[in-house]
Amino acid sequence: DGGITQSPKYLFRKEGQNVTLSCEQNLNHDAMYWYRQDPGQGLRLIYYSQIVNDFQKGDIAEGYSVSREKKESFPLTVTSAQKNPTAFYLCASSRKSPLAGGELFFGEGSRLTVL
Amino acid sequence: AQSVTQLGSHVSVSEGALVLLRCNYSSSVPPYLFWYVQYPNQGLQLLLKYTSAATLVKGINGFEAEFKKSETSFHLTKPSAHMSDAAEYFCAVRSAREGGKLIFGQGTELSVKP
Repeated sequence: DGGITQSPKYLFRKEGQNVTLSCEQNLNHDAMYWYRQDPGQGLRLIYYSQIVNDFQKGDIAEGYSVSREKKESFPLTVTSAQKNPTAFYLCASSRKSPLAGGELFFGEGSRLTVL
Repeated sequence: AQSVTQLGSHVSVSEGALVLLRCNYSSSVPPYLFWYVQYPNQGLQLLLKYTSAATLVKGINGFEAEFKKSETSFHLTKPSAHMSDAAEYFCAVRSAREGGKLIFGQGTELSVKP
């Protein structure tokens, strides 16, 4: 079945360590997104990519990095510069043009806890 | 810039009662509007979307929403709540001008009492 796969589902990290969250989609979507979710704050956009080898910062990009070397993959690295990385991270994808439907499809999320 | 406000971070209803979750948006261009549902420790699932066609939009699981331009609202309703409706609900607006990203409201947690 087509969809978005995020891994790992749960991840523990020590302070000062970088971690990479995986996001793979087989929907043939051009655009991919990373959101961060914290209780009571909704979802906030970290990075997004509309095409391979190109990506843009979202609203809270500091302390994060991404790459888009393949259409199917959009990994997110949480660096040690991120001051409060404990959160639930959601990856999503959509067709490039919002006029073609516009909805986002989400993965199941990755919960990162910094010890 | 687009924004979304959900009124009420927590709504509690009895099983069988009407569900009403409120969403107001701000947009300088005709918006695309969405409602998503999230169950604990899971991703978001699309309930319904408005993309400038019919103003009354029907979604999955018996939910519907009405787009009211004059009130800049897109409230979500369901005539009769089920226990399985207990979840967090997010309203979102997507702009054709901002790279297609979704801007989410703060979320409303729905509790359903037996």
